[in-house]
Order: sequence, then C-alpha cells, then structure tokens
Amino acid sequence: GNSVTQMEGPVTLSEEAFLTINCTYTATGYPSLFWYVQYPGEGLQLLLKATKADDKGSNKGFEATYRKETTSFHLEKGSVQVSDSAVYFCALSDKDTGNQFYFGTGTSLTVIP
Amino acid sequence: GAVVSQHPSWVICKSGTSVKIECRSLDFQATTMFWYRQFPKQSLMLMATSNEGSKATYEQGVEKDKFLINHASLTLSTLTVTSAHPEDSSFYICSARADVYGYTFGSGTRLTVV
Repeated sequence: GNSVTQMEGPVTLSEEAFLTINCTYTATGYPSLFWYVQYPGEGLQLLLKATKADDKGSNKGFEATYRKETTSFHLEKGSVQVSDSAVYFCALSDKDTGNQFYFGTGTSLTVIP
Repeated sequence: GAVVSQHPSWVICKSGTSVKIECRSLDFQATTMFWYRQFPKQSLMLMATSNEGSKATYEQGVEKDKFLINHASLTLSTLTVTSAHPEDSSFYICSARADVYGYTFGSGTRLTVV
C-alpha cells in the first residue's frame, strides 16, 4: 500500500541555518509527491510538488527532488528565517487510488532569531 | 486562490454529546470534500469522501453512524461526531479540490472530549 514516513520533530534551528526534513515513501503506482506547510492557525498550504521521478519542486527557497531510486522527497532550505516556523507535511497522491492523499506525521519547525 | 473555511478551530465537549464541524468553500464550488483526522504523533488519515448530493464514502474502520457527513450544497460539507467519547479527541481537517488551484485544506478543528 501507500505510505509516507517523515522525520519526527520538533526541529529547532537558528536563523540562516540549513534545513533538511527527511521524507520517504512507499507506493504501488507512480505517485505525485508534495510538501504542505501549516502556519499557526491556518490551513495546510501547498509548498511544492513533483509529479515524476527526478523532478525538483521549489518555492520560497525550499526545494525537494523526487528520487525514485531511494523513494525519497527530502525538503531542504539553505537559510531558514523566523517566518518559516510552521509544521511541514510530506504527502503523496496516487491517481491509481483515486488521488487520495497519504500524509506523513508532520514535522514542527521553530526558527529562533 | 481557493479558500476553505473550517470552524470551529477548537472545541471541548462532554462525553456523550455531539459536535458539528463545518467546511465551506468560499470562492469556488466543491463537488467533493475529503475529511481527515490526525491522532497525536500519527499521520493525517483520510476518514471519508463526501460528494455533493450523495452519500459519503467511508474508509475502512471509520464508523459511518458515528461520523455523519452531510454535503448538501456545493459550498458546504459538515462532519458531525455523534455521542463523542474521549477516544474521538483528535485533529480533524477537511480538503476540497478546486480545479484551477488543486487541493485546498481548511485550518482544522481540534476536538477534545472530556
């Protein structure tokens, strides 16, 4: 079946530090992969996505590359800001299962000045 | 962009009572809404899929008589937790597909049953 395993948090970093949040997946088909972000008091927002192997999704300085050989989609940012403090969810969606989303547990990130 | 408004953001209720959670699509029509829940330290799990004007489809292990879903219009879906018990305490979140913008999520509801 489909599943997503995500690095557990919480993660606390100083401003301008390098961020990596690991995400690996299991899928029976050829899924699309996503990172969603939830800021305090708000809904999940799409941060970036990749729809096929070797695609790189990027947005707001965040990047993630769809690695089929390692079934991974790790989220990275070179220099985090206080405003990046949020909960990050890795997810996959597979049209073979009706585009249902499968989420990781979420990783809470706090960036301190 | 497409916005889904979900409320309440949090609710505390007594065991045995019912709680209704609403999700409204504000600037688009949502023929399908998805309801997820997240227990502590676990993933968001799909509970059910609701389609406007028809019965919801529940995932395995989700009691349809306990979690009543109504999707009476193209802009409103509701989830009612009936006879809530402490084990129903969880984070509930809805999602809808807005064709141009993809999937949009509500802000979630933290339910605590005491």
